[in-house]
Amino acid sequence: AQSVSQHNHHVILSEAASLELGCNYSYGGTVNLFWYVQYPGQHLQLLLKYFSGDPLVKGIKGFEAEFIKSKFSFNLRKPSVQWSDTAEYFCAVMAGNQFYFGTGTSLTVIP
Amino acid sequence: NAGVTQTPKFRVLKTGQSMTLLCAQDMNHEYMYWYRQDPGMGLRLIHYSVGEGTTAKGEVPDGYNVSRLKKQNFLLGLESAAPSQTSVYFCASSYVGPYNEQFFGPGTRLTVL
Repeated sequence: AQSVSQHNHHVILSEAASLELGCNYSYGGTVNLFWYVQYPGQHLQLLLKYFSGDPLVKGIKGFEAEFIKSKFSFNLRKPSVQWSDTAEYFCAVMAGNQFYFGTGTSLTVIP
Repeated sequence: NAGVTQTPKFRVLKTGQSMTLLCAQDMNHEYMYWYRQDPGMGLRLIHYSVGEGTTAKGEVPDGYNVSRLKKQNFLLGLESAAPSQTSVYFCASSYVGPYNEQFFGPGTRLTVL
């Protein structure tokens, strides 16, 4: 069965620190990759997505992610986090008609 | 546009009771999904639909049924609720084909006593 792994369960950073959240998936075929964010008390919103082409994808709010096919990874990055980035982040893989979500990484940014 | 809406927002059930969660979208999306979100387990797909009148099982379908009688609505039913079904339920929808992002509803928090 397909799976998505997010190894960082809880990350705490100070404002202006750099962020990298790991995401690895297990699926050998063609995949579409997504990062979603869930702010406290809100529903999931799309940060960015990768279907094909340039493996470095830029999303909203200064986030970017790099698809490394050989490592089955799609890590999320942001050079300088803000307090407002405090949220839960989910990596997702689309294989066939189904989405598979990781367990999420809770990010807390300290002012 | 309201996007994806879910009814109700909160519900408390006793074991064995039944209920239906309603998801509605006004974006003319073909695909609709039901997920449950549990601490430490992320989102898990319960059922999904690729069009009106069609449904399919996801990762954790047991104990749930769904119906897609109208394109804009996707209903999730619990025939006999169990405490293990205490969760937050999210509905999502997307355009035709697997290459588009999903738009999520605000969620329904269900507690089964």
